[in-house]
Amino acid sequence: QVQLQESGPGLVKPSGTLSLTCAVSGGSISSSNWWSWVRQPPGKGLEWIGEIHHSGTTNYNPSLESRVTISVDKSKNQISLRLSSVTAADTAIYSCATLYGDDYWGQGTLVTVSS
Amino acid sequence: DIQMTQSPFSLSASVGDRVTITCRASQSINNYLNWYQQKPGKAPKLLVYAASSLQSGVPSRFIGSGSGTDFILTISSVQPEDFATYYCQQSYITPLTFGGGTKVEIK
Repeated sequence: QVQLQESGPGLVKPSGTLSLTCAVSGGSISSSNWWSWVRQPPGKGLEWIGEIHHSGTTNYNPSLESRVTISVDKSKNQISLRLSSVTAADTAIYSCATLYGDDYWGQGTLVTVSS
Repeated sequence: DIQMTQSPFSLSASVGDRVTITCRASQSINNYLNWYQQKPGKAPKLLVYAASSLQSGVPSRFIGSGSGTDFILTISSVQPEDFATYYCQQSYITPLTFGGGTKVEIK
């Protein structure tokens, strides 16, 4: 049973960089082709941030592309997210997930952007 | 980007009612359409993938249909545990996009 667990700071200052990690357990990160990051502002809908193939190929949401980096560390069986120049509008629950018909989701972690 | 439009925004239903949620894509996505259920404070749960394939362990009262641009999620007889928010999501092309959600409430 594959499980995903996000971790990282819950509070980031405006103009700073948000950094999160998603640890994959119960299976290899190579078991699914694409791993996504998704965010959900409190009380709002779901927004796709981007994805990474276990080979390292990435696709990003054009609305965030200039600020986003997603990476994979197969030796640690984890993926990472970096979002730079954050503002209050980036406050959300950030989750890692697979979105191509398999059902792997982390429980999500709330990141608040505030001074 | 492919826009996914869900309707209605919300609905009220009684236990046992038949509930229908619609999702429309701004261009054809063949059958690359997933449906999720989300309860407060929880991660989304995949119900249907490839427009009409039921995810393992999901009750058969959840029925997905459609192809191209128009898709439907039907709950044939809504149960108390089905009151939640439902999202469609296209996996045809990046950027992957979600519908705005449909909240199913108890009447």
